[in-house]
Amino acid sequence: AQKVTQAQTEISVVEKEDVTLDCVYETRDTTYYLFWYKQPPSGELVFLIRRNSFDEQNEISGRYSWNFQKSTSSFNFTITASQVVDSAVYFCALSGRYSGAGSYQLTFGKGTKLSVIP
Amino acid sequence: DTAVSQTPKYLVTQMGNDKSIKCEQNLGHDTMYWYKQDSKKFLKIMFSYNNKELIINETVPNRFSPKSPDKAHLNLHINSLELGDSAVYFCASSTTGTSGEDTQYFGPGTRLTVL
Repeated sequence: AQKVTQAQTEISVVEKEDVTLDCVYETRDTTYYLFWYKQPPSGELVFLIRRNSFDEQNEISGRYSWNFQKSTSSFNFTITASQVVDSAVYFCALSGRYSGAGSYQLTFGKGTKLSVIP
Repeated sequence: DTAVSQTPKYLVTQMGNDKSIKCEQNLGHDTMYWYKQDSKKFLKIMFSYNNKELIINETVPNRFSPKSPDKAHLNLHINSLELGDSAVYFCASSTTGTSGEDTQYFGPGTRLTVL
C-alpha cells in the first residue's frame, strides 16, 4: 500500500521568509513518481512539479525548489522569499499502480496549509 | 482556453435529490478521473475512465455512477443525495492513465452542498 505523509498541517510565515513543506512517502514500487500540487484559496488544483524516482537532482524553478531524497523517502518543497500569493494548501502526491492492474492512481497527502502574512 | 472544465461550479440541493456534474477536457487525453475532496481537504480518487472504459472504481456508494460518452467527457451522476455527499468534486485528466509518470490536470471543482 502506498502512503504520503505531510506532517505539517498548517504553517504561517512572514512575507519574505523561506519555508519548507515536508513530504514523506511509502511505496514498494521501484519506479515511482512524485508530484506537488497547489490549491490556492480560489479552490483549483494547480500542478507544480513531477519527479521520477531515478532522478535525485534537486530542481529549482524561480523561488520554488524541490529536494528529493530517496534514502529518506522524502520530497520536500521550499519556497524562497515567500509572498502573500504563495498562501495556499500544498499537496504532495505519489503515483502508483491501482490494485495491481495496468492503471495508475495518485495517492495524496493531507496537505499543508501555508499562510504568508504581509 | 480551459483545459479541464466542470459544470456547475456550485450545486446546492436538497437531500434525496438526484444531480449530475459534467466534465470536459480539451487536452486530447485518454483518461479522466473523479476525485472527492472532503471538508478537511483530503483528496480521494473515486473513478477513472480510459477511452470510455472504467478502470478505477474505488469503494463509493452505488448511488454514484460515472458515465463517459466519449473520451473527452466524464459525467458524475449522484442519486438520492445525502448530507455526507457534501464536498468538492474534482474532475481530472491525464495522457494515458497507464503510466505512473502521467501528470493529472484538474478542473476547477464543483462544490456540492446537500441541505
